[in-house]
Amino acid sequence: ETGVTQTPRHLVMGMTNKKSLKCEQHLGHNAMYWYKQSAKKPLELMFVYNFKEQTENNSVPSRFSPECPNSSHLFLHLHTLQPEDSALYLCASSQERIGDEQYFGPGTRLTVT
Amino acid sequence: AQTVTQSQPEMSVQEAETVTLSCTYDTSESDYYLFWYKQPPSRQMILVIRQEAYKQQNATENRFSVNFQKAAKSFSLKISDSQLGDAAMYFCAYRSAGSNYQLIWGAGTKLIIKP
Repeated sequence: ETGVTQTPRHLVMGMTNKKSLKCEQHLGHNAMYWYKQSAKKPLELMFVYNFKEQTENNSVPSRFSPECPNSSHLFLHLHTLQPEDSALYLCASSQERIGDEQYFGPGTRLTVT
Repeated sequence: AQTVTQSQPEMSVQEAETVTLSCTYDTSESDYYLFWYKQPPSRQMILVIRQEAYKQQNATENRFSVNFQKAAKSFSLKISDSQLGDAAMYFCAYRSAGSNYQLIWGAGTKLIIKP
């Protein structure tokens, strides 16, 4: 596998379920990101990890819980979600030098029923 | 706080013609980076082009070029000789040159290519 991979690609879950999204980057980068992408809205940055340490948490509800066990893997644990949490969740990574681009995964399409 | 505005929700262009996508931003900083990303349908977001604010020369990548007007806080993307594979959502993004990792994103422009 190359680049940034995400699993699963599609997920349907009920509001009482617990599930996890997985992201893996094969680029040797030291920063990883979770974004939420909703239709006709700008991408919303949720979490940033740099060298496994969380550096940003943009007021995300506690029903979203990130985990970064190493610089190559990032998880987003989901529990008791709401229908408005349905969206495309994108993972990205970068080599954190000023101005470096972010490389994105294909995303997980999440539907909360 | 910085903001990024893409005023065109959707644009269409005839294949082989040229199209320009608009992006304006608001910032009080003098040093920053600007990006255009492309997200094809059901495919990954990829970087199209990047501009450093301290560079006066407009960035160019093959058929893609930007018109960077720092004083006007404008950063438009020009696509020449449009191809069917250019059909995608295009997002403009801003990043401070400071230590903040955050990209500030526009809402996107959907580009349709007419054959």
